Amino acid sequence: AQSVAQPEDQVNVAEGNPLTVKCTYSVSGNPYLFWYVQYPNRGLQFLLKYITGDNLVKGSYGFEAEFNKSQTSFHLKKPSALVSDSALYFCAVRQGGNYQLIWGAGTKLIIKP
Amino acid sequence: SQTIHQWPATLVQPVGSPLSLECTVEGTSNPNLYWYRQAAGRGLQLLFYSVGIGQISSEVPQNLSASRPQDRQFILSSKKLLLSDSGFYLCAWTPRPLSGANVLTFGAGSRLTVL
Repeated sequence: AQSVAQPEDQVNVAEGNPLTVKCTYSVSGNPYLFWYVQYPNRGLQFLLKYITGDNLVKGSYGFEAEFNKSQTSFHLKKPSALVSDSALYFCAVRQGGNYQLIWGAGTKLIIKP
Repeated sequence: SQTIHQWPATLVQPVGSPLSLECTVEGTSNPNLYWYRQAAGRGLQLLFYSVGIGQISSEVPQNLSASRPQDRQFILSSKKLLLSDSGFYLCAWTPRPLSGANVLTFGAGSRLTVL
């Protein structure tokens, strides 16, 4: 069965430190991978996606993610965290021929000053 | 540019009352439209999606229904609300044609509290 796992319910990082939000997936075939961010009481915003090509994908607000096919992972990273990065982050995957997204449960990122 | 509007932003309704949440998209034609529910501020559950006027697919059998009376309008309804219908409802769209690489664009959401 297709699935997406975000193993950390919450990640705490000090401002200025690097951050990583983890995502692993299980789909058959080639995956399309996405990261979205949700600020409190708001809709989700697209951050970045991996479709094909370079395994390192750069997105909005200085975020990047690395696609690792052997580990079936797509971790979200940022070299230096800002307090304003505090939000709920969702990983999602779409199998090539299937148009519905499979969502992770979300990871709450807290950046402390 | 394309924009998506949802209303109302917040709604408090008694059990057994009807519901109507509306979503409209501007600046594009023939969008794919989606209704999601987010319970307890976390996981997203796809409720309905539509690839055209009058074409609605339901992902989860429940107390809710959806309609698409116009190309860029998507409505979520209920005849009688249940306590379990409380949650944060999100409308979203993707461009045509359907593609695995399509990015969902979300509205600001509608928070429903059923008392």
